[in-house]
Amino acid sequence: KQEVTQIPAALSVPEGENLVLNCSFTDSAIYNLQWFRQDPGKGLTSLLLIQSSQREQTSGRLNASLDKSSGRSTLYIAASQPGDSATYLCAVRYTGNQFYFGTGTSLTVIP
Amino acid sequence: EAGVTQFPSHSVIEKGQTVTLRCDPISGHDNLYWYRRVMGKEIKFLLHFVKESKQDESGMPNNRFLAERTGGTYSTLKVQPAELEDSGVYFCASSPLRTATNEKLFFGSGTQLSVL
Repeated sequence: KQEVTQIPAALSVPEGENLVLNCSFTDSAIYNLQWFRQDPGKGLTSLLLIQSSQREQTSGRLNASLDKSSGRSTLYIAASQPGDSATYLCAVRYTGNQFYFGTGTSLTVIP
Repeated sequence: EAGVTQFPSHSVIEKGQTVTLRCDPISGHDNLYWYRRVMGKEIKFLLHFVKESKQDESGMPNNRFLAERTGGTYSTLKVQPAELEDSGVYFCASSPLRTATNEKLFFGSGTQLSVL
C-alpha cells in the first residue's frame, strides 16, 4: 500500500527564516513527485515537479529534492515571507495515473 | 487562459438527496481527474478520464457515485443518494496528454459538499 507522510503537520516561523518541509513515501518505485501549495478556499497550485530520474528542482526561492532510495523528498523555502503562508502538499505518482497525497504541512510565516 | 472551474463551490444537502458536481477542465486538456478530501484525511483519487473514456475508476467509493464526461469536455460527478460520509471537498484536476514536461496537474478550487 502506497502511503505518503508529511512532517510536521504544522510549522510556524518568523519572516526571513529558511525552512524545510519533509515528505516520505513507502514505495520507492515512483514515477514522479509533485509539491503543491493550497491557500484557504482555493485549489492546489503546482510548485515543483521532480521526475524519478532527477535529484532536485528549483524555482525561485523553492528547491525540492528527491531521494528515491530512502523514500524521501524535501521542499526548501529560502528567506520565507508572510505570503508563503499556506498548506504545502506532496503527491507521489507511480506507474498508474493517480497521485497519492500526504496530509500536508500548514505553514505560517510571522511578519 | 481560464483555469479548471468547478461548480458549485459549496453544496449543503440532506442525507438521501442527490447532488451533481461539475468540472470544466482547461481547454485542450484530455486528462481529467476527480479527487476527494474528507475531514482530516489526505486527498484521495476517485477516477481518471482520458477524453470521454474512463481510464481508472478504482478510487470510486461505491455505486452511489457516477462520473461522466460526455464529449470529452466537462465532467459531472453525481452522488445518489448522498450519505453523511460523503461530506468533504471534491477536487477536479486536468492535464494535457502525458509527456515528460507536461505532467503537472492543474486543480480547481473544489466543491465543499456537506451532507446533513
